[in-house]
Amino acid sequence: DAKTTQPPSMDCAEGRAANLPCNHSTISGNEYVYWYRQIHSQGPQYIIHGLKNNETNEMASLIITEDRKSSTLILPHATLRDTAVYYCIVRERYGGSQGNLIFGKGTKLSVKP
Amino acid sequence: DTAVSQTPKYLVTQMGNDKSIKCEQNLGHDTMYWYKQDSKKFLKIMFSYNNKELIINETVPNRFSPKSPDKAHLNLHINSLELGDSAVYFCASSQDRRSLRGAVRYNEQFFGPGTRLTVL
Repeated sequence: DAKTTQPPSMDCAEGRAANLPCNHSTISGNEYVYWYRQIHSQGPQYIIHGLKNNETNEMASLIITEDRKSSTLILPHATLRDTAVYYCIVRERYGGSQGNLIFGKGTKLSVKP
Repeated sequence: DTAVSQTPKYLVTQMGNDKSIKCEQNLGHDTMYWYKQDSKKFLKIMFSYNNKELIINETVPNRFSPKSPDKAHLNLHINSLELGDSAVYFCASSQDRRSLRGAVRYNEQFFGPGTRLTVL
């Protein structure tokens, strides 16, 4: 079972920032937070991941709370092409055989013009 | 320059048939995966292969068998297809690093476009 909780859906106006929350209150010390998204009829796409520090790349920013029990994915200027289901996943980055990506239901983000 | 490709994109077949889905990655990755996404959109891992060794085998029926002719390919063979096998199947790959002690550093996975399997 997924170890994360996300709202089932969110709307965002085009050009505005989209802030997608994720709760992972049972995250363990060696688990990272990963974000993937799935645009309709396509395969999932990696966005970003982090352990405890905030991270930023060309796609998004990831803000992880100090206690690591929740995080927020930020798309700074959402476009219509960002409409997708966004998955927050906790996953061991180092380990024996626990590197599986376990997908939950995700958040369906609808970017509206 | 498709990184992870799958064929066919669509597959319609009758119950009881045997079919295969092919997956190829040109990223030089050493680990490949198969995922199943059912009608409720839940995405679940089925298998992963690293250096021709099956390292994850979730509780899937033994009618499903992954076969890897080389590091760039992981094909999925399905025998005696059933109605419940209808789903979208995604292949993925990653470059995971394994130490001599067997510890693994997992990296991000790159997914293919999916194969929609319909069993009639």
